[in-house]
Amino acid sequence: NAGVMQNPRHLVRRRGQEARLRCSPMKGHSHVYWYRQLPEEGLKFMVYLQKENIIDESGMPKERFSAEFPKEGPSILRIQQVVRGDSAAYFCASSQSPNTDTQYFGPGTRLTVL
Amino acid sequence: QQQVKQSPQSLIVQKGGISIINCAYENTAFDYFPWYQQFPGKGPALLIAIRPDVSEKKEGRFTISFNKSAKQFSLHIMDSQPGDSATYFCAARRSGTASKLTFGTGTRLQVTL
Repeated sequence: NAGVMQNPRHLVRRRGQEARLRCSPMKGHSHVYWYRQLPEEGLKFMVYLQKENIIDESGMPKERFSAEFPKEGPSILRIQQVVRGDSAAYFCASSQSPNTDTQYFGPGTRLTVL
Repeated sequence: QQQVKQSPQSLIVQKGGISIINCAYENTAFDYFPWYQQFPGKGPALLIAIRPDVSEKKEGRFTISFNKSAKQFSLHIMDSQPGDSATYFCAARRSGTASKLTFGTGTRLQVTL
């Protein structure tokens, strides 16, 4: 009965490197959402994906950020050429369907950019 | 128009007291209002949620009060316990193809002995 899994839990990158964050949704869930939480702030929506499709990326920065949810395997949030301002906690949530109210959150990946 | 405003930013309550956190929203299309509890270093966990067709929902010591005309909703924690010390986020979601949650900025609750 595993919940939403995210790895790594902590990630340290130097400026200019790439960060890859992984999210495995709950069993039976095919909808994944990524949120970012800056220190002392609430969660901000980034992107909503179904298997092999990006449904809503209205919260994604236009440059350097991308997300995918392949047919097999976890969802990946990719940040290229990281900058200090990317330091945050990144949370993934999953739901059974787009009309399901409840989103279940993973433990998050805490990204630190040196 | 997507904003959810939450107050207070922080709250200190004595053990056994009532903790009250308030949220206000602007978008009348919102139709689902959950509260999440987050402990340090953990992900948010759903605590309780309400839809606009009811004015109150209670689950154990946690109650949501909803005022549709004022576009406000609040979380009441009765008999607050030290184990309730956490950050609480209200959120809202609107029906439609996008299921994203719009979160408030959070309230850090500390329950003292």
